[in-house]
Amino acid sequence: QKEVEQDPGPLSVPEGAIVSLNCTYSNSAFQYFMWYRQYSRKGPELLMYTYSSGNKEDGRFTAQVDKSSKYISLFIRDSQPSDSATYLCALGDTGFQKLVFGTGTRLLVSP
Amino acid sequence: GAVVSQHPSWVICKSGTSVKIECRSLDFQATTMFWYRQFPKQSLMLMATSNEGSKATYEQGVEKDKFLINHASLTLSTLTVTSAHPEDSSFYICSATTSGRPDTQYFGPGTRLTVL
Repeated sequence: QKEVEQDPGPLSVPEGAIVSLNCTYSNSAFQYFMWYRQYSRKGPELLMYTYSSGNKEDGRFTAQVDKSSKYISLFIRDSQPSDSATYLCALGDTGFQKLVFGTGTRLLVSP
Repeated sequence: GAVVSQHPSWVICKSGTSVKIECRSLDFQATTMFWYRQFPKQSLMLMATSNEGSKATYEQGVEKDKFLINHASLTLSTLTVTSAHPEDSSFYICSATTSGRPDTQYFGPGTRLTVL
């Protein structure tokens, strides 16, 4: 079993839709949760960073963490074609020597 | 701020040759740099962590004699793929951080290596 599971997609939605992206994990030692956006042939860029259960909002993006279920989500409201990219979740444990990444979900937002 | 560059962005080489990839932090001093490899439709896999002036720490399964990492200054780290083979073809991404913590790392744009 992988430490982090993420559906690779692709997930296709029309412009304006609410997008839900998810990751599940198996190691309860993970305490830090990040979402990165990666455009094709580019390096990832950090979108959201949280370390507690609950919701964290930043503009059109909301990160949600449920530690009891080992489930994290990223919601994108009013999705735009420019949101088309691969979204990777990344988790860090309490020692925080490295991040473990999900495979990434490819999102396609059509105009 | 917090820009990381990589050079080259794309390289093609013949099997058996060595290739060097540079990673530079342009506007900050990076105490720690990470090197990742990413295969198509797969996750970023950490290869090694390097701290300025000391030997890199390699992840399990990564051959340190094949993937030579040098972090000679606070703004430059290099990854040399020695005696490259087609199975080494991949997207190599570096990241840099001032804190030593991976939660504050800034990623470079990546280097696509194709070994013929």
